[in-house]
Amino acid sequence: AQSVTQLGSHVSVSEGALVLLRCNYSSSVPPYLFWYVQYPNQGLQLLLKYTTGATLVKGINGFEAEFKKSETSFHLTKPSAHMSDAAEYFCAVSGDYGQNFVFGPGTRLSVLP
Amino acid sequence: NAGVTQTPKFRVLKTGQSMTLLCAQDMNHEYMYWYRQDPGMGLRLIHYSVGEGTTAKGEVPDGYNVSRLKKQNFLLGLESAAPSQTSVYFCASRRLGQGAYEQYFGPGTRLTVT
Repeated sequence: AQSVTQLGSHVSVSEGALVLLRCNYSSSVPPYLFWYVQYPNQGLQLLLKYTTGATLVKGINGFEAEFKKSETSFHLTKPSAHMSDAAEYFCAVSGDYGQNFVFGPGTRLSVLP
Repeated sequence: NAGVTQTPKFRVLKTGQSMTLLCAQDMNHEYMYWYRQDPGMGLRLIHYSVGEGTTAKGEVPDGYNVSRLKKQNFLLGLESAAPSQTSVYFCASRRLGQGAYEQYFGPGTRLTVT
């Protein structure tokens, strides 16, 4: 069975600073991994996903994530935070056929001026 | 292409009343899901469906029923609403098949039970 942990329920960064949101997973099969973003009063939208192949995945809005199998991690980064990045971010893992699509508890990102 | 839509967007119910939330998707997806989102608890799966006419329980199914009579629609019912069901409800859909296919989410329904 898959599971996801996200270290830090709330992360604050200054505008222009590096954003690092942590995600660790457990999976009995090679996983598919996803990052979603949720802006206030909206649904979740996909930022990026890892399938197979290249371990560094680029997504929308300048975000990227690196899959590290040895560390069972899929951390999300952005070199320079923007005020518009303030949102909640969810990491998720699924098996081959979408079964056991599991979301992490989420990390709220605040960006300080 | 509207994606995933949810009706209604907001609703206030009194304890004991019933209601149905409608989810519709126009992407011909086989899988559909209902989640609830509460502060500090992330997303919790209520029920899901892997195809027309099929449904299954998720993590928190008690107090809810679902139906998938048409492939494009997934209904969530509350037979006798309780204050504990005050939440934001999200519907999602996903295509069938092997691979990294993401879930697509609707905009949510904010339900308050008084």
